[in-house]
Amino acid sequence: GENVEQHPSTLSVQEGDSAVIKCTYSDSASNYFPWYKQELGKRPQLIIDIRSNVGEKKDQRIAVTLNKTAKHFSLHITETQPEDSAVYFCAASFNDMRFGAGTRLTVKP
Amino acid sequence: GAVVSQHPSRVICKSGTSVKIECRSLDFQATTMFWYRQFPKQSLMLMATSNEGSKATYEQGVEKDKFLINHASLTLSTLTVTSAHPEDSSFYICSARGGEITEAFFGQGTRLTVV
Repeated sequence: GENVEQHPSTLSVQEGDSAVIKCTYSDSASNYFPWYKQELGKRPQLIIDIRSNVGEKKDQRIAVTLNKTAKHFSLHITETQPEDSAVYFCAASFNDMRFGAGTRLTVKP
Repeated sequence: GAVVSQHPSRVICKSGTSVKIECRSLDFQATTMFWYRQFPKQSLMLMATSNEGSKATYEQGVEKDKFLINHASLTLSTLTVTSAHPEDSSFYICSARGGEITEAFFGQGTRLTVV
């Protein structure tokens, strides 16, 4: 089955800096790659997603890139703010949806 | 976004009893529902994938006779933890989506404590 690896497990940045989280997947059939943000005690919320026929997608301060050949995708957050602090999960999906281990992002004011 | 409602949010049960958790899509038809288990400060571990009208596909290591999943309609899936034991205590969370290659929306999760 699909295996999703995510790095780093923790990331601390200064407010205003950029943050990058990287994921790799194993199943070449996966065709949908969402990123979720989970705040403490809350349900995961989608922040951005990308489909396999697209290489890059941007939404304001958030962007995702996908390299199908290498089977990796990345989340980029620019101009980070303290409210970006949370746990971020990547996922890869075909029939099912499997998640990476998560990255705890801390943005220091 | 679409709304997925999961109940109960918390449940405490005695060892040996069964607990049913419901996951409902309130404003869309969920062709697929996923059930996850999340340990403290850890990731979402996929337990099973359920398509409406079909038997659930369980992940390796997940006992299908212990974690009964039913997805009888396009808006409701249930997870029943049978003969619960303290090691089954965890946070269970469902998600649902209305088609392939689309976003999955999460329920609020259920904190199960088996005493």
